[in-house]
Amino acid sequence: KQEVTQIPAALSVPEGENLVLNCSFTDSAIYNLQWFRQDPGKGLTSLLLIQSSQREQTSGRLNASLDKSSGRSTLYIAASQPGDSATYLCAVGQIGDDMRFGAGTRLTVKP
Amino acid sequence: DVKVTQSSRYLVKRTGEKVFLECVQDMDHENMFWYRQDPGLGLRLIYFSYDVKMKEKGDIPEGYSVSREKKERFSLILESASTNQTSMYLCASSFNAPAENAPTDTQYFGPGTRLTVL
Repeated sequence: KQEVTQIPAALSVPEGENLVLNCSFTDSAIYNLQWFRQDPGKGLTSLLLIQSSQREQTSGRLNASLDKSSGRSTLYIAASQPGDSATYLCAVGQIGDDMRFGAGTRLTVKP
Repeated sequence: DVKVTQSSRYLVKRTGEKVFLECVQDMDHENMFWYRQDPGLGLRLIYFSYDVKMKEKGDIPEGYSVSREKKERFSLILESASTNQTSMYLCASSFNAPAENAPTDTQYFGPGTRLTVL
């Protein structure tokens, strides 16, 4: 059964810093990987979706990379802002299995 | 824009009550999902449905049932609520993913229902 781990569980950085969030998964036979953002008490918003044949995806200040062979993905946030404060979750999709979520990294960007 | 709505944002119920959580999506998605989210455990799939009147158990179906009578609506039912069902419940929907290189099959989430069982 696929297991998804996100480290660290929480991260606090000063505004303007570049940062990396990590996601690892145990089974490399994935269909795709998604990064979501969740604001407190709210649902999830999809940020980036990487298909298994892709290495990375970019959207604005966000860049997600995927290394299937090592079972890792990173979400890079450039020039962080207080509005980026949220919990970031990664989720792995596999054919024939449900989407598996990590427990998330709670990011705080201090002004 | 895809919209997934859930019937309540906050709900407080008593132990033993029957609880209905409703989810509606407006994009004609085939798939619908119910998750619960607890601190440190991430999202765990309770049930999902890939078509009207079809349902499949997820990782933690015990104590829950679901109903999908119409394509746009997926209901989660707690037959007899218990305190360990206090949680955030999230509904999601998606298109079917036909192939490896399909454009996207991202799940679209509702705002969540925070259920407290006393």
